[in-house]
Amino acid sequence: NAGVMQNPRHLVRRRGQEARLRCSPMKGHSHVYWYRQLPEEGLKFMVYLQKENIIDESGMPKERFSAEFPKEGPSILRIQQVVRGDSAAYFCASSPTSDTQYFGPGTRLTVL
Amino acid sequence: DQQVKQNSPSLSVQEGRISILNCDYTNSMFDYFLWYKKYPAEGPTFLISISSIKDKNEDGRFTVFLNKSAKHLSLHIVPSQPGDSAVYFCAASGTSGSRLTFGEGTQLTVNP
Repeated sequence: NAGVMQNPRHLVRRRGQEARLRCSPMKGHSHVYWYRQLPEEGLKFMVYLQKENIIDESGMPKERFSAEFPKEGPSILRIQQVVRGDSAAYFCASSPTSDTQYFGPGTRLTVL
Repeated sequence: DQQVKQNSPSLSVQEGRISILNCDYTNSMFDYFLWYKKYPAEGPTFLISISSIKDKNEDGRFTVFLNKSAKHLSLHIVPSQPGDSAVYFCAASGTSGSRLTFGEGTQLTVNP
């Protein structure tokens, strides 16, 4: 059973461009979570999704950030008009109906 | 407001000895607690968890203790091995399937 998959692993964007981060949950997992780790900090919750529904987006910045988990395909975290402060590691986690979340390897976003 | 705190940024122990990592929380609504291990450039790896109805959970070399009245939990690793050297994160959630709140992490170094 493959683990949580994220791609790309590394992403470089110039200021003002768009970043799209993808997450494929573990097989059988219907809950997806996105977290961000800024340099020298712990992981911070961003958004919690189930298929076609956003359950909790209280950790998402109000502008430029959006997330989706369509009926088919991976979950997408989209950052529009990136700024240098968006440079971070973005982690996706998935879970079945239980409490334990399993994390992917992360996408390291660098904004030049 | 840091609801989950790991007050020791680093810990160094000798191989074969016990490692004790500590975590404090402030939110009384937390009822599920987890420990993750993280290597550089990788995602967090789930280690062990405990529900608030228990005060101890053991899995091989890892034991987690929960003291609800003190809002404190600890992870014991015995015997410690050099491969245990990593950053350890404590995390908590309030209801099943909800977001995780992470501590800042403790860097454990196990010396041969």
